[in-house]
Amino acid sequence: ETGVTQTPRHLVMGMTNKKSLKCEQHLGHNAMYWYKQSAKKPLELMFVYNFKEQTENNSVPSRFSPECPNSSHLFLHLHTLQPEDSALYLCASSQENARTSGNYEQYFGPGTRLTVT
Amino acid sequence: QKEVEQNSGPLSVPEGAIASLNCTYSDRGSQSFFWYRQYSGKSPELIMFIYSNGDKEDGRFTAQLNKASQYVSLLIRDSQPSDSATYLCAVNTAYNTDKLIFGTGTRLQVFP
Repeated sequence: ETGVTQTPRHLVMGMTNKKSLKCEQHLGHNAMYWYKQSAKKPLELMFVYNFKEQTENNSVPSRFSPECPNSSHLFLHLHTLQPEDSALYLCASSQENARTSGNYEQYFGPGTRLTVT
Repeated sequence: QKEVEQNSGPLSVPEGAIASLNCTYSDRGSQSFFWYRQYSGKSPELIMFIYSNGDKEDGRFTAQLNKASQYVSLLIRDSQPSDSATYLCAVNTAYNTDKLIFGTGTRLQVFP
């Protein structure tokens, strides 16, 4: 285990549902990330939070809404999703002050496999 | 042009051989380079990072970086069937060091 947990591990939801994905890191890191991984495509960065502040929104549709209440927890709120949003959603964390050492190592959680029907 | 390019494979090598995985990137200002291993159905796991030109060795793994030619490679010596996985190359962007750009990955198959 990498110290990053995600729940649920699997989620099936209809297009009219509202659900939330949860991520928690136990590594003392202060940066957290949401990625989307679809088949045959590279990992896509969705959101970045540094010290609870959002620093990156990679042109993600508003039906995805992130929330970062503290440096250890990250949520992704989902509503009115489309079937093409079905993918593996990965959370990652890193230590922001690693900039001085040049190591921006990101640790990934196990992911949530999302299916939109 | 894709920002990070990898051959999707599969790359098939016999057990005990050297597996060579390659990655090219387009952002000349990139500073940090990562190799992740991802088993089927699992999340990516970091195996190597490098940010200086040259070679970096860690056990059976060697990362090689050539910034002038904008490529980074991963060598796996004495390949084992357990090394069979998809290997993802990731590169940070020059303007935002927290942002990693991933390649699509190369699938490696090590056969006994």
